[in-house]
Amino acid sequence: DAGVIQSPRHEVTEMGQEVTLRCKPISGHNSLFWYRQTMMRGLELLIYFNNNVPIDDSGMPEDRFSAKMPNASFSTLKIQPSEPRDSAVYFCASSPDRGRAFFGQGTRLTVV
Amino acid sequence: DQQVKQNSPSLSVQEGRISILNCDYTNSMFDYFLWYKKYPAEGPTFLISISSIKDKNEDGRFTVFLNKSAKHLSLHIVPSQPGDSAVYFCAASLTDSWGKLQFGAGTQVVVTP
Repeated sequence: DAGVIQSPRHEVTEMGQEVTLRCKPISGHNSLFWYRQTMMRGLELLIYFNNNVPIDDSGMPEDRFSAKMPNASFSTLKIQPSEPRDSAVYFCASSPDRGRAFFGQGTRLTVV
Repeated sequence: DQQVKQNSPSLSVQEGRISILNCDYTNSMFDYFLWYKKYPAEGPTFLISISSIKDKNEDGRFTVFLNKSAKHLSLHIVPSQPGDSAVYFCAASLTDSWGKLQFGAGTQVVVTP
């Protein structure tokens, strides 16, 4: 199994631009998570889906952030418009059951 | 509001010795705890977990201890190996929102020869 696949690995964009991060979960996993890691706040959950349905999006910082999971094999996290404070590493993870989340390698986002 | 705390940002240990990582939590409703390990430029990888109905869980060189009355858990790595050098995260969740893992800030472990 290839694991959780995230793209791109690195993204540099200008403030105000739209950014789309992509994730392909492990086949058969029914839960998908988006996390953000920053020096100030550590690893924080943004949103998670169960069977493609958003369950908890209380971690999404602002309306500029949105996430979708149109099918079991694909999810996107979009930031529009992006701001410098959105610079972070964004991780996608999937899980077949409670707890054992498998993380992707992350997308390092830099907004200048 | 940080409900899971790892107060030691770093730990240095000699190869072959025991590494003990500590984690405290404030929410007594947490009922499932996990440890993850993270290498640079990679995502965290699951190490070991423990349910609140247990006080110990062991998997090879890794043992997690849970002290519910003290709201404290620890991870023991015996013996420590150079490949164990990484950042270790403690995480906790609630049954009714199990997908919502709350992570600690992490402890950087360095295993020296």
